[in-house]
Amino acid sequence: EIVLTQSPDFQSVTPKEKVTITCRASQSISSSLHWYQQKPDQSPKLLIKYASQSFSGVPSRFSGSGSGTDFTLIINSLEAEDAATYYCHQSSSLPYTFGQGTKLEIK
Amino acid sequence: QVQLVESGGGVVQPGGSLRLSCAASGFTFTSYGMHWVRQAPGKGLEWVAFIRYDESTKSYADSVKGRFTISRDNSKNMLFLQMSSLRAEDTAVYYCVKDGSRSSGSLDSWGQGTLVTVSS
Repeated sequence: EIVLTQSPDFQSVTPKEKVTITCRASQSISSSLHWYQQKPDQSPKLLIKYASQSFSGVPSRFSGSGSGTDFTLIINSLEAEDAATYYCHQSSSLPYTFGQGTKLEIK
Repeated sequence: QVQLVESGGGVVQPGGSLRLSCAASGFTFTSYGMHWVRQAPGKGLEWVAFIRYDESTKSYADSVKGRFTISRDNSKNMLFLQMSSLRAEDTAVYYCVKDGSRSSGSLDSWGQGTLVTVSS
């Protein structure tokens, strides 16, 4: 099973700050890495697919990069509405797995 | 727009069974793979099961293999999850999720979830 490890687990940030969340895979997954945002009491939503492709309708301040084992989600100029938990997910091999999540708190 | 509406959740005793359903609309259901993903209270996301658009492939997490069965009815745009031998650790919100492809890739649309509680 491919283990995805996110860092940090929690981050408290101020509006307009730049946020970087990383996801490391226990083995190479090429670009089969996707990012999701889950706000409290809501279903998750796809932000970035295949490491760097923005999903339709997602604000341009969200971007992704990486390949192989190391991936990054960047949120430029954070807004209050970005308070959420962010998950990475791999579709390279079964069983599909998620990272443990990164909770973002807005100060 | 894509709509995924789950139903069938509830309270069930350990060892019992439950069948979840998901009604899909707003897209060509027969062209996409589908998943079930769950989330235990206060915990992270856990992938549960996947079925290809044509049912040629079904895959399961080790934690549910042999107990859960995923299926679909392409004539009715419905996805199902038959759960048996339920355990306390199966307590979670279960999400019906559309894949972005015929096989398996990104999870691009999620239902609102249905809560399954396994308790005596």
